Amino acid sequence: SQQGEEDPQALSIQEGENATMNCSYKTSINNLQWYRQNSGRGLVHLILIRSNEREKHSGRLRVTLDTSKKSSSLLITASRAADTASYFCATDARGAQKLVFGQGTRLTINP
Amino acid sequence: GAVVSQHPSWVICKSGTSVKIECRSLDFQATTMFWYRQFPKQSLMLMATSNEGSKATYEQGVEKDKFLINHASLTLSTLTVTSAHPEDSSFYICSARANRGLNEKLFFGSGTQLSVL
Repeated sequence: SQQGEEDPQALSIQEGENATMNCSYKTSINNLQWYRQNSGRGLVHLILIRSNEREKHSGRLRVTLDTSKKSSSLLITASRAADTASYFCATDARGAQKLVFGQGTRLTINP
Repeated sequence: GAVVSQHPSWVICKSGTSVKIECRSLDFQATTMFWYRQFPKQSLMLMATSNEGSKATYEQGVEKDKFLINHASLTLSTLTVTSAHPEDSSFYICSARANRGLNEKLFFGSGTQLSVL
């Protein structure tokens, strides 16, 4: 079964607003990663946060990780229409050599 | 940045034929490649892990005789869907993990949309 569960499944906001997506997982991890997928395309890596980190920033992206709650959040600030895509969290579980992806959040930014 | 090339981007075939999908790492060596399947508006389902020079490791429920994976070099892995049927229609995506440095994140191909008539 999928490691990560994400919510919301779909999110629609106005351009300029902030978008927050959440991810929960089940087992101990080495790191958690966020990816973006435009419709019908491959995935693009956005940001990686290690298990000993609590927060990380990259441009308009902010990721938090709470290992006690086994959850992570991705915040996109000042959203743009071009941010419209599906966003997936992926966990790199300890002892495993593969990433397991969450169900994803479909984000729509309305101009 | 690292680039993974996947082709074809889309393929339409008749039921019963076999289809080969290629995944190449263009500017780095990939000891490990992964093959995923994705249905519309759903997440990626890992099918198998492909290691250069050895047999692929398939996930539970994935038929290895149906989905043949070959990873003959550090830059190329292929997925062959044998005797394809309409239920095999899906979006297939490969990804690669570099064998040194930046090896925690995956680099993805652009995907192959397979339609079996």
